[in-house]
Amino acid sequence: QSVLTQPPSVSAAPGQKVTISCSGNSSNIGNNYVSWYQQFPGSAPKLLIYDNNKRPSGIPDRVSGSKSGTSASLGITGLQTGDEADYYCATWDSSLSAGVFGGGTKLTVL
Amino acid sequence: EVQLLESGGGFVQPGGSLRLSCAASGFTFSSYGMTWVRQAPGKGLEWVSSISGPGADTFYADAVKGRFNISRDNSRNTVYLQLSSLRVEDTALYYCVKSNRMTMVRGVIVKVRDFFDYWGLGTLVTVSS
Repeated sequence: QSVLTQPPSVSAAPGQKVTISCSGNSSNIGNNYVSWYQQFPGSAPKLLIYDNNKRPSGIPDRVSGSKSGTSASLGITGLQTGDEADYYCATWDSSLSAGVFGGGTKLTVL
Repeated sequence: EVQLLESGGGFVQPGGSLRLSCAASGFTFSSYGMTWVRQAPGKGLEWVSSISGPGADTFYADAVKGRFNISRDNSRNTVYLQLSSLRVEDTALYYCVKSNRMTMVRGVIVKVRDFFDYWGLGTLVTVSS
């Protein structure tokens, strides 16, 4: 059972928008910064969002992140079949003094 | 170009030990924390342990506390993870990750920012009898 809760799967049609949620508590998301990662099967994860809503160089602006209270969200607009992957949120948990990941969300572009 | 190359994985019986290594290049190694993240077959990512740039601060997931030890040699640009008292549930691909950890203190409020911008390809640890 992950400390951060994500939906196991989401789906949307090409060109549409999808939002992936990540729920935590005051010790983790509520107090610290959130990052998001994309992982294709057989590959290492890739950083998509850091500091709640910042994109690293090379990540398109159709990818966005937000945080409100003890929850965070990853948004992807203009969905493409190439976006089909697993997505993970992560943050620091001040009570555990450890990093934590969400359980991951599998995105299907129908 | 940042590169992280893990090694040391393998097959070990329950109760056994392994030492994972991660050789880093392409950045000022001593200025950055390093983290180990693992992924069991078919499962999600699990944060395991991290160490600060100078090596003075270490952190562990509860699942590995007391059994794993993280260390680093900044003269060799290498971070290590000593795995002991291994269990079947430690079977996973272990990723070495470059961290960007910062602690911000405002009065009594302490906020931590950490994110992982470079990942190695991983080294597989299999624990089985």
